[in-house]
Amino acid sequence: GQNIDQPTEMTATEGAIVQINCTYQTSGFNGLFWYQQHAGEAPTFLSYNVLDGLEEKGRFSSFLSRSKGYSYLLLKELQMKDSASYLCAALLGQNFVFGPGTRLSVLP
Amino acid sequence: SAVISQKPSRDICQRGTSLTIQCQVDSQVTMMFWYRQQPGQSLTLIATANQGSEATYESGFVIDKFPISRPNLTFSTLTVSNMSPEDSSIYLCSAEGGQGLYNEQFFGPGTRLTVL
Repeated sequence: GQNIDQPTEMTATEGAIVQINCTYQTSGFNGLFWYQQHAGEAPTFLSYNVLDGLEEKGRFSSFLSRSKGYSYLLLKELQMKDSASYLCAALLGQNFVFGPGTRLSVLP
Repeated sequence: SAVISQKPSRDICQRGTSLTIQCQVDSQVTMMFWYRQQPGQSLTLIATANQGSEATYESGFVIDKFPISRPNLTFSTLTVSNMSPEDSSIYLCSAEGGQGLYNEQFFGPGTRLTVL
């Protein structure tokens, strides 16, 4: 199958840094996406990695290691509005496969 | 980026009936997708809808249950046929960005379906 794994839930404190990990099957890999989804809303695109390394975009950064089938999303200076589900999605061949999502709760 | 709208936003339906969900994109896109999302869970791809060809269904989903239309490059419909309570879910339409950047997907707001 096309397995993508993420932690189910994470909790962090406002102002802190949190890292959400994602592992995926490497066969046919064509890119790794991160989406944010607030409760009751549609997912919104956060980042894309296809080459190894770190992509930084403001408070959010995403890292990829193709050889290890591993990515993480790094959120800095956490704000209460960052409480949401974070979905890792891999483009495997032409198939877009989503992970189970990580529900992040940011506490004051 | 693409802006996507869906109709209806929500519906409550009786067992055995069918519901057609419409998805409209504000620009021409090649690939459109239909997903199902159970509360608190991730997205499950139902099918890929390309204009001018039959939809491609994922394992566990069949055309008789989820017929899809793709009459042009900006519009698609998904029908949930002969509904049962197990079909209660959020149905999301998405389109690939198509701008040659990331091939990211943009999502519609979803249709919340409850089957009684």
